Amino acid sequence: QVQLQESGPGLVKPSETLSLTCTVSGGSISSYYWSWIRQPPGKGLELIGYIYYSGTTTYNPSLRSRVTILVDTSKNQFSLNLNSVTTADTAVYYCARVVRSSLYFDSWGQGTLVTVSS
Amino acid sequence: QSALTQPASVSGSPGQSITISCTGTSSDVGYYNYVSWYQQHPDKAPKLIIYDVSNRPSGVSNRFSGSKSGNTASLTISGLQVEDEADYYCSSYTTSSARVLFGGGTKVTVL
Repeated sequence: QVQLQESGPGLVKPSETLSLTCTVSGGSISSYYWSWIRQPPGKGLELIGYIYYSGTTTYNPSLRSRVTILVDTSKNQFSLNLNSVTTADTAVYYCARVVRSSLYFDSWGQGTLVTVSS
Repeated sequence: QSALTQPASVSGSPGQSITISCTGTSSDVGYYNYVSWYQQHPDKAPKLIIYDVSNRPSGVSNRFSGSKSGNTASLTISGLQVEDEADYYCSSYTTSSARVLFGGGTKVTVL
């Protein structure tokens, strides 16, 4: 059973870059898409983007100008960078595995709260 | 791209059946049979309960079922139980560059 674990700072200052890493265990990072999804406090889910193990990415158009998702197959990890953050980026950030055929999310990390505040 | 439309809340008594709707457009819900549903308990990660409109992952109770008609997908929970009290989100493939849309979520309350 694949497991995902997010890691990174829980507090980021406005205008700085939010950086998170997701470590995949119990399975290979190959042959799947891997995604970042966020959930502001008390609100719904928002896809940030996803990456194939080959490095091909797809981003939410509303965040595309600020987002970079990378994959490191040697470490079975993928990462998220979101730059120029504001308080509106405060959210629980989840990493999740994406089933390629129909783009559903079958395994999720536990999530990590990132607060943007000075 | 607008989120898919779900009712904010649905409630039912134990043992009853409830249905949650998820309305999109011909560019998402109505385009492919690529609708999925997620259950989220408070302070927990979402859990996949339905994929490809009506398929259940291994281990998910058969009290959960999914269907679709036109641009609206539905999740039915039969034999409602206390542990079903949670938030439920639909998701769909979309032909837009976003590729995936989520619904706004529905809070299910067991009376």
